[in-house]
Amino acid sequence: QSVLTQPPSVSGAPGQRVTISCTGSDSNLGSNYDVHWYQQLPGTAPRLLIYDNNNRPSGVPDRFSGSKSATSASLAIAGLQAEDEADYYCQSYDSSLTGNVFGTGTKVTVL
Amino acid sequence: EVRLVESGGGLVQPGKSLRLSCVVSGFTFSVNAIHWVRQAPGKGLEWVSGLSWNSGTIGYADSVKGRFTISRDNAKNSLFLQMDSLRVEDTAFYYCVKGRGGYLHRDLDYWGQGTLVTVSS
Repeated sequence: QSVLTQPPSVSGAPGQRVTISCTGSDSNLGSNYDVHWYQQLPGTAPRLLIYDNNNRPSGVPDRFSGSKSATSASLAIAGLQAEDEADYYCQSYDSSLTGNVFGTGTKVTVL
Repeated sequence: EVRLVESGGGLVQPGKSLRLSCVVSGFTFSVNAIHWVRQAPGKGLEWVSGLSWNSGTIGYADSVKGRFTISRDNAKNSLFLQMDSLRVEDTAFYYCVKGRGGYLHRDLDYWGQGTLVTVSS
């Protein structure tokens, strides 16, 4: 059961900017819990892309950025590259479920 | 280098049990939260369970509550998941995942490669 909603897919040409939305509720994003983002390349384990709304771990290009406002969040990819073709998931904590929750996932396609 | 290595997956019949293990290295296991996350083939990520650094806070997804038990052995840098009354819908890759900090609500900063659990008759 995913309580964070993402669009199933987004696409863009190389060099373009794409954004992925993550919509939650008062018990997760709206309760001041941070949102985090993960990238999963085909056939591999997920990796952390953005943490605490807008922070990049070491090694993540600055083309990736995140933001959060009230019960929604977004991930932006600027200057889209072929290697960005992957699945992306948002994640937060839910106080009603007393556990972590993931978004439904978004497949990014580079045209 | 941070490493998380899962083991214990395999083929099991519905209603049976299986115990997953995860051995970690490259960080101070005893001060970090640790989690299990699963992914059914071709599907999205699902958080299964998590333990705070001292096992004082434990969380389970509703889908596994009452059937799965998470535990850790800080002396052996190990995490476990006892899975009982397995169902076909529990079929998935199970990832052992390190949490940032000691509590459950932070991000998941390092992931293992996963172990496949297949529940089928």
